[in-house]
Amino acid sequence: ETGVTQSPTHLIKTRGQQVTLRCSSQSGHNTVSWYQQALGQGPQFIFQYYREEENGRGNFPPRFSGLQFPNYSSELNVNALELDDSALYLCASSPQGNEKLFFGSGTQLSVL
Amino acid sequence: GIQVEQSPPDLILQEGANSTLRCNFSDSVNNLQWFHQNPWGQLINLFYIPSGTKQNGRLSATTVATERYSLLYISSSQTTDSGVYFCAVEFLTGANNLFFGTGTRLTVIP
Repeated sequence: ETGVTQSPTHLIKTRGQQVTLRCSSQSGHNTVSWYQQALGQGPQFIFQYYREEENGRGNFPPRFSGLQFPNYSSELNVNALELDDSALYLCASSPQGNEKLFFGSGTQLSVL
Repeated sequence: GIQVEQSPPDLILQEGANSTLRCNFSDSVNNLQWFHQNPWGQLINLFYIPSGTKQNGRLSATTVATERYSLLYISSSQTTDSGVYFCAVEFLTGANNLFFGTGTRLTVIP
């Protein structure tokens, strides 16, 4: 059984740029959620995708957007990067909804 | 407002000791999970436990939803148990948002 994989593992961008992070869900899982974890804090919910549709969103501005593909993999896009966007971005998949989430190893994003 | 509070914030244990971590939440939930984040940042799902008691090896968890708390028990701790433990809840009004608690940082010393 393949787990949740994320790419890239690390990324350095400058303020104002755009970034795309990728996630492959665990086999058999149709729901993908994205979280932002700032240093020393717990993860914060960005949004969730279920069968290619956004299925819930946290308190993040519209410059955070996403996609889910027919194979249930997903992308997180962030436009107009700000310094405060520096964080660990985590992707999680689940069989359905928030039932037992399985997390990837994350993408560490640094915005300079 | 919505809150998920964990205690203690920090815990240092001698290898072999037992511990209890607590998670209090402010409203009714339909989902509660416990996670361990290891020193490399990987979040591991320990339990999906919206109510009742579950055990997995040296770990067990109990959620009393009517009293809005959950407990994670770690017995015979090992150095590999070190890391941050999070509880995460989905409130009934949560719109698929899993709220993570403040975390308990556990350090197990040999």
